[in-house]
Amino acid sequence: AQSVAQPEDQVNVAEGNPLTVKCTYSVSGNPYLFWYVQYPNRGLQFLLKYITGDNLVKGSYGFEAEFNKSQTSFHLKKPSALVSDSALYFCAVNNDYKLSFGAGTTVTVRA
Amino acid sequence: GAGVSQSPSNKVTEKGKDVELRCDPISGHTALYWYRQRLGQGLEFLIYFQGNSAPDKSGLPSDRFSAERTGESVSTLTIQRTQQEDSAVYLCASKLQENTEAFFGQGTRLTVV
Repeated sequence: AQSVAQPEDQVNVAEGNPLTVKCTYSVSGNPYLFWYVQYPNRGLQFLLKYITGDNLVKGSYGFEAEFNKSQTSFHLKKPSALVSDSALYFCAVNNDYKLSFGAGTTVTVRA
Repeated sequence: GAGVSQSPSNKVTEKGKDVELRCDPISGHTALYWYRQRLGQGLEFLIYFQGNSAPDKSGLPSDRFSAERTGESVSTLTIQRTQQEDSAVYLCASKLQENTEAFFGQGTRLTVV
């Protein structure tokens, strides 16, 4: 069985401050890990993925994520948040083609 | 096509009626997924298809739910005898292979009245 946990329902930050959205996973074997973002009334958009190699991966809109195998974590980060980053963020794990999502974290960036 | 296409975009149905939701994946994508997203909630896995393998139906919530896929193309999700708790957005996604990202359609918003 595989699972993804996003321990924070909501994250609130001021514009210009660093943003971190946490994700931990449980899966047998080597995981493929993904982050997606969902803006209001929009579909899910892919942000970035970890497959293998460098533990720090960079993605769209200035986001990055760090894979930590010992802590089974894949936290999403952005050095300087923008108001336009306010959205619902999902972490996902893929193992043997099954793609499972966390419950999501609502990010609010205040001006 | 250019992206994953779902139809209809909105569907209002009476309780007890059957509905069919359609998903056209990106051409060449071997894997296709269905998820349910209730208002303000996360993505609930329903079913996925991968190539010629038997589909993983482990997420279907009841025997009222079924899905089919023709080869590596169109998929339909059928909900029989709809109930009010079936009201949600149903999302379809497809991916080329295991280590690539999935692309999502815009979803079908189902309202059971």
